[in-house]
This record gives sequence, C-alpha cells and structure tokens, in this order.
Amino acid sequence: QSALTQPASVSGSPGQSITISCTGTSSDVGGYNYVSWYQQHPGKAPKPMIYDVSNRPSGVSNRFSGSKSGNTASLTISGLQAEDEADYYCSSSTTSSTVFGTGTKVTVL
Amino acid sequence: QVQLVQSGAEVKKPGASVKVSCKASGYTFTDYYMHWVRQAPGQGLEWMGWINLNSAVTKYAQKFQGRVTMTRDTSITTAYMELTRLTSDDTAVYYCARDGYTYGQIDSWGQGTLVTVSS
Repeated sequence: QSALTQPASVSGSPGQSITISCTGTSSDVGGYNYVSWYQQHPGKAPKPMIYDVSNRPSGVSNRFSGSKSGNTASLTISGLQAEDEADYYCSSSTTSSTVFGTGTKVTVL
Repeated sequence: QVQLVQSGAEVKKPGASVKVSCKASGYTFTDYYMHWVRQAPGQGLEWMGWINLNSAVTKYAQKFQGRVTMTRDTSITTAYMELTRLTSDDTAVYYCARDGYTYGQIDSWGQGTLVTVSS
C-alpha cells in the first residue's frame, strides 16, 4: 500500500481557517469510512483528532472537523490558533490494514 | 485512564534484532487490538501491523513480512514487537498504539521507543 498524499505544508494566520487534503484511492480512502486524523507536536506522540471521517474524540476542540469526498479526505481547522502549529497525518484503514498519509506541517503565521 | 508505557531506548548493530515492549493499563487488555507504528527521524508515520490481544492473531504490513513478530502476554498486559535483521533504515521511534475506535483507528499511543541501528 502506498502512503496517502498530503500537502507538505499549509499555513494561515490566527483566526483563519485552513484545510488539509488527504488523497488515496478507491481501495482505501474512497472505499471505507475508517479515516482518522492525528496531530503531532515535535518530540511527542501523535494525538487523535478525528476518527470515522468526521467524529471528534472527547476533548478535541470543535474547531477541528473532517469530511470526505470520493478518494479525498479533508481536515479543516477553523479559528486557527498558535497551538495548532504541528504536523498532521491522515490515515485510512480497511478491515485488515492501515496506511498513513505523508504528513502536513501546519504553520501559524 | 488508558496508559501504554513502552520500554526504553535501544542501540543495536546491523543484523541484530530488537524487541520492544508495551505495558498497558487502565482498560481490559484483551478487548482491543494493538498496532505498531514507526517514525524515522524527520519522517512520517509508518504502519507496521497489528495484533488481536485476545486471539493473538496478527496482520503485518507487507514491507515487514518475515522480519516482524508481534506477540502479547495477557498475564502481564504487555504487547511486544520484535524486528529482526536490522539495518540503519530501521532507526526510528517505534510506537505501540491501541485500536480504540473502528478498524485501524488509534485512540491511545505509547510514548515511543527510539531504536538506533549503528555499527
């Protein structure tokens, strides 16, 4: 399985909204609703931000939202804050395997 | 609360093997799957496989087939990942991670174990 494709970097000013795309194929993103998003700060373990395409775990800000259209999933961060500066990874799972995205560095200007 | 505590950093020579442990607490161990994910320095996340902590059934990413073995000891709620025939390309932080949602979606991560392969 090849890694899912994400933009290398996305930036925005505080208060703005940004969207990170995650493109796969009909065999992964397009075929299943098992899409997750993870936030990773330097030197830390990833933190789950979205699961099942659009569900937020308890404690995750509602500024984070997920969606999917065809073979592309998206993570939108609204009201961008300094603490949102981190790396973000999508993942797509089938009933037997998982593949991660290439990762996106989010910079808050 | 769910806790996954991994073993400490390792330094190995090329050709050697490494076995990383992941002690779980705060939940019923056998009710979940455990994934192993690695991250090379400055690189992205790479899925290695999972183990069903109840049945011990495993599924490995094709890249690691023949080199990785995932096991568990339910008596001490600990999962293990062993990787053999190490090369410098295996230098990475290795994470255990609980599959807490639906298929393959992780809700809790260990703190990571740095494995350095160097002659």
